[in-house]
Order: sequence, then C-alpha cells, then structure tokens
Amino acid sequence: DAGVIQSPRHEVTEMGQEVTLRCKPISGHNSLFWYRQTMMRGLELLIYFNNNVPIDDSGMPEDRFSAKMPNASFSTLKIQPSEPRDSAVYFCASRDGSGELFFGEGSRLTVL
Amino acid sequence: QKEVEQNSGPLSVPEGAIASLNCTYSDRGSQSFFWYRQYSGKSPELIMSIYSNGDKEDGRFTAQLNKASQYVSLLIRDSQPSDSATYLCAGLNTGGFKTIFGAGTRLFVKA
Repeated sequence: DAGVIQSPRHEVTEMGQEVTLRCKPISGHNSLFWYRQTMMRGLELLIYFNNNVPIDDSGMPEDRFSAKMPNASFSTLKIQPSEPRDSAVYFCASRDGSGELFFGEGSRLTVL
Repeated sequence: QKEVEQNSGPLSVPEGAIASLNCTYSDRGSQSFFWYRQYSGKSPELIMSIYSNGDKEDGRFTAQLNKASQYVSLLIRDSQPSDSATYLCAGLNTGGFKTIFGAGTRLFVKA
C-alpha cells in the first residue's frame, strides 16, 4: 500500500487567501484524522472522521477552518481566509482497527 | 492539566546507554497507549503499542504501562545515534475514538 498521501507538501500563501489541503487515507482504514503541529503547541487534533462522518471537530480553532470527507478515499481541510498564525505542519492520519495511526508526510503551510 | 503529559527534554544519553522516556495521562478510561518516533522534518511513526499493565518488549524497545498510576514509559536499550528523535506518547481516550498526543520528548544520543 502507498500509505497516507497528502498534498501539497509545501504551501506558501499570503494572508487572506484560501488554502486547501488534501488527504488520501490507506484503503480499508475507516477513521481519518487531521492534526496540526507547531513548536509551541505540539501535535493538536483538529477533527476526525469515522466512516466518512465527522465525529468530533472540537479541535478546529475557528470557523475559518472546515473539513470534509466526501468518500472513503479522500478528505480536505480548508482554511478561509488564512492568517499568519495558521502557519504549521498539517498531518493527515488514518487508523486501523488496532488503534494505530498511520501518518502522511504532512503539508507545511506558511502564511505570509 | 493536559490529557497526556511528557517532559519535553531534551534528554541526552551516551551511545550504548539506556534511554528512559516517561509519560502520564489523565483519562482513567484510556486503555490503549502508543509511542511514536518523529525525526526532524518527518512525520510520526509508530514504534510501540501497549494495551495491558506490565511490560512489552520489541527488540531494543520496552514499553511499560501502569494503569493504577496512569503512567506509561519507554525504555530504549543500547541507544544508538540513530535513535535521536522526538518521542511522542499517545493515548486513546475513553470510548476509543480520539488519539491524544503528549508534547514529545527530544532524545539525543551522543556518539
């Protein structure tokens, strides 16, 4: 299996622009997670889906953030409008039945 | 109080020594715990999982869980410079839906 695939790997944008991050989970995993990692706050859970349904989005920092999972093989995390404090590495991870998470390589976002 | 707490380090040990990494958690309903290793600029990768009290060994790694004390640890024997990384402790919350991570401990193994 190719593992969890994220795109883009790097994104540099200007404040106020819309950012869309994409994720393809491992086939057969029915849970998908979006995390954000910064030096100050570590790895924070933003939202997770089970069987394509959002279960808990309490970690989403503001209404500027939204996430969707239209089918079992694709999810997006959107930030609109983006702000400099959104700069971070965003990880997507999928989970198997044992509870183990498998992470993508991450999307490094820089908002100028 | 954070749900999963770790000493951020850095922890520095000489090559060949035992590195001991510790973690405490607040959710008494948590049943499953994991240690992930993250190299600089890379994504976290799972190295150990533990679900019951006691020790679990895998090669040079031993995970220990004490549910009464709400304590998880990872021992790395015969530490190598390639073990230098950040080690993240994680727990599955009550109900088994969310995986919550600690802040991570940076480990340096000196050659």
